[in-house]
Amino acid sequence: AQKITQTQPGMFVQEKEAVTLDCTYDTSDPSYGLFWYKQPSSGEMIFLIYQGSYDQQNATEGRYSLNFQKARKSANLVISASQLGDSAMYFCAMRELYSGGGADGLTFGKGTHLIIQP
Amino acid sequence: DGGITQSPKYLFRKEGQNVTLSCEQNLNHDAMYWYRQDPGQGLRLIYYSQIVNDFQKGDIAEGYSVSREKKESFPLTVTSAQKNPTAFYLCASRQGASTEAFFGQGTRLTVV
Repeated sequence: AQKITQTQPGMFVQEKEAVTLDCTYDTSDPSYGLFWYKQPSSGEMIFLIYQGSYDQQNATEGRYSLNFQKARKSANLVISASQLGDSAMYFCAMRELYSGGGADGLTFGKGTHLIIQP
Repeated sequence: DGGITQSPKYLFRKEGQNVTLSCEQNLNHDAMYWYRQDPGQGLRLIYYSQIVNDFQKGDIAEGYSVSREKKESFPLTVTSAQKNPTAFYLCASRQGASTEAFFGQGTRLTVV
């Protein structure tokens, strides 16, 4: 079963609008971290924001915020006031902190291709 | 500046050859990772190392090998046993249980 699901393969958004990128996850581990990365066409992975499973408040980093709904296993990324430079692939990822002997490392979704239109 | 350096940026390999991708970090991170990315897909974990002289298989380790002789270096060898090696390979490192991973610029491997 997929551990990270991103249901939006692609999105077109007008510049200056807010955009929400969806991410749902599946884990039985009580302790986990959720990450969002941006991948421009150059290929590098740029860390955007982190949410721990025990964090009481939603994470925010500048124009990025994470809408964390633990009961629904949802961790949507919200980008406010979108800019042309926000056009990129966006990946949601999870790391289970007590993986029960399983592999360390991040589990990624398939990504959302966001295009900001002027 | 601290960071992760992958080389080369582009690599071409003939079928049946082994090739080694380099990954060096000066962040003093203990944990290092190799991921593979295919077009339209997310990243998948190949191998990881949490400490020098120790490494573990990830989800898709078949046809790959690694070594971790120094803290700074985690090279990945794509062997001839890897049936479909054409992909984008990303190296990452991390320090701490709930911190983000830092990624290199990636190596694009093409089999010709």
